[in-house]
Amino acid sequence: KAGVTQTPRYLIKTRGQQVTLSCSPISGHRSVSWYQQTPGQGLQFLFEYFSETQRNKGNFPGRFSGRQFSNSRSEMNVSTLELGDSALYLCASSLEGLAGGGLSETQYFGPGTRLLVL
Amino acid sequence: SQQGEEDPQALSIQEGENATMNCSYKTSINNLQWYRQNSGRGLVHLILIRSNEREKHSGRLRVTLDTSKKSSSLLITASRAADTASYFCATDRAGGYNKLIFGAGTRLAVHP
Repeated sequence: KAGVTQTPRYLIKTRGQQVTLSCSPISGHRSVSWYQQTPGQGLQFLFEYFSETQRNKGNFPGRFSGRQFSNSRSEMNVSTLELGDSALYLCASSLEGLAGGGLSETQYFGPGTRLLVL
Repeated sequence: SQQGEEDPQALSIQEGENATMNCSYKTSINNLQWYRQNSGRGLVHLILIRSNEREKHSGRLRVTLDTSKKSSSLLITASRAADTASYFCATDRAGGYNKLIFGAGTRLAVHP
C-alpha cells in the first residue's frame, strides 16, 4: 500500500498570501488529521476530518481551515499568511481515527509540507 | 499546549549502547504512541501501547507505561547510528478528543 502523500513538499510564500496544502491518505483510511510543527511550539494539532466532517479543531485562528473530499483526500488552507505560519505541516491518516472509549488507531504520517513565509 | 514532556531533551550515546527516553503526561489516556522523526521529515510510527497494557516489545524497542505515574519509557537496545533521530511520545487523551498530543521530543545521537 502506498503511504500518506502530501503536496507540495516545499513552498515559499510572502506575508498576506494564502496557501493550500494537500494530503492523500492511505487507501481505505477515512480519518485525516493535520498537525503543525515549529521549533518553538513543537507539534500541535490543527484539525481532524472523518467522512468529510470536521470532528475536532485545535487552537488555531480562523485563518486555518480545511476540508475533506468524498475520496478522503484532504486539503488545508491558510489565508493571510503571517511569518509565524512558517512550519512543517504534517498530515496523518488512520482507518477510523482516534475515538474515545478505548478504540485506538495508529496514525500514519506523511512526509510533510515545509512552508516558508517571507 | 503539550500534554507530554520527554526527558532527556537530548541524548548522546555510542553504537551498541542502550538508549532510554522518558515521557510524562497530564491526563487520563486511551493510548500512548511513540514516533521517530529524522531531520524534520515525517513521523514514523514505532509502537502503540494501550492504557491497560504495561509493557510492549517490538524488535529492539521496549515500551513501558505506568498510568498511575502518568509516564512511559522507550528503550532502544543495541543502538545503531541509523537510530539517530528525534523521538516523540504522543497521547490519545481519554474522552474522545480525536487528536494526538505530542511531547517536545528527545533528540538522540548515536555515534559510530
